[in-house]
Amino acid sequence: EIVLTQSPGTLSLSPGERATLSCRASQSVARNYLHWFQQKPGQSPRLLIYNVINRATGIPDRFSGSGSGTNFTLTISSLDPGDFAMYYCHQSALSPLTFGGGTRVEI
Amino acid sequence: EVQLVESGGALVQPGGSLRLSCAASGFSFNQHFMIWVRQAPGKGLEWVALINQDGSEELYADSVRGRFTISRDNAKSSLYLQMNSLRGDDTALYYCARGLGWLPGSWGQGSLVTVSS
Repeated sequence: EIVLTQSPGTLSLSPGERATLSCRASQSVARNYLHWFQQKPGQSPRLLIYNVINRATGIPDRFSGSGSGTNFTLTISSLDPGDFAMYYCHQSALSPLTFGGGTRVEI
Repeated sequence: EVQLVESGGALVQPGGSLRLSCAASGFSFNQHFMIWVRQAPGKGLEWVALINQDGSEELYADSVRGRFTISRDNAKSSLYLQMNSLRGDDTALYYCARGLGWLPGSWGQGSLVTVSS
C-alpha cells in the first residue's frame, strides 16, 4: 500500500500569500498518478490537479502542481479568500488507492 | 453536466445491511470506471471500491473486502454498493464518483450511513 503523508497539517496564511503543500509517498507513484483535491466545509471534494501537473477543468492558474517519484507539491501562488479549505493528495497508481491525511489552509 | 446522486443512506444497527445507489447522468456511464469513496465524520477521505466499465473488474479496500459489493447497471446508468455486516467504523458519508481511469474525477453530494444501536 502506498501511504501518503501530507505536511503541514495546518497552514495559517493570509489572502494574497503563497501556499506550499507537501505530499510524500511511501514508494514511488507510478505513471505520475498523483492528484490533488480541494474540499470546503459541507461540500464534496473537487479535483484540482491530476497527474501531478495538470489543472482540472475550470481550475484557475494560481494552482499548480509539481514533483515526481515520492515527493509532490501543490502551490497556490496567491491565496484567494475562497481557497481556504482542506486539501488532499491521492494516488491512483496502485490498489489500494489511497489519500493523504489532508492539509487545512486557514486564515 | 455530470450529475451523480447518491441515495439509500440510513441509520442501521451493527451487523445489518444496506444498499446504496448512485444515479448518474450527463455522461456516457458505460464508458467510465465508477468509484465509491467515504468520509467518516470529521475525518479524511477513504477509497472504498471501484468497478470497471462492464462490471467485470472490482477492487476493494481491505477494510470492506468480503463485506461490501460494488455493482452497476449500465442500462439504468446506476452504481450500487451493497454493504453487509456493517460496523461502527463504517459510519461515514459515502460518495459516488465518476472515474477518469481510477481517479475519482467528479463526485456526488454523498449519502450518510450511520451504524449504531
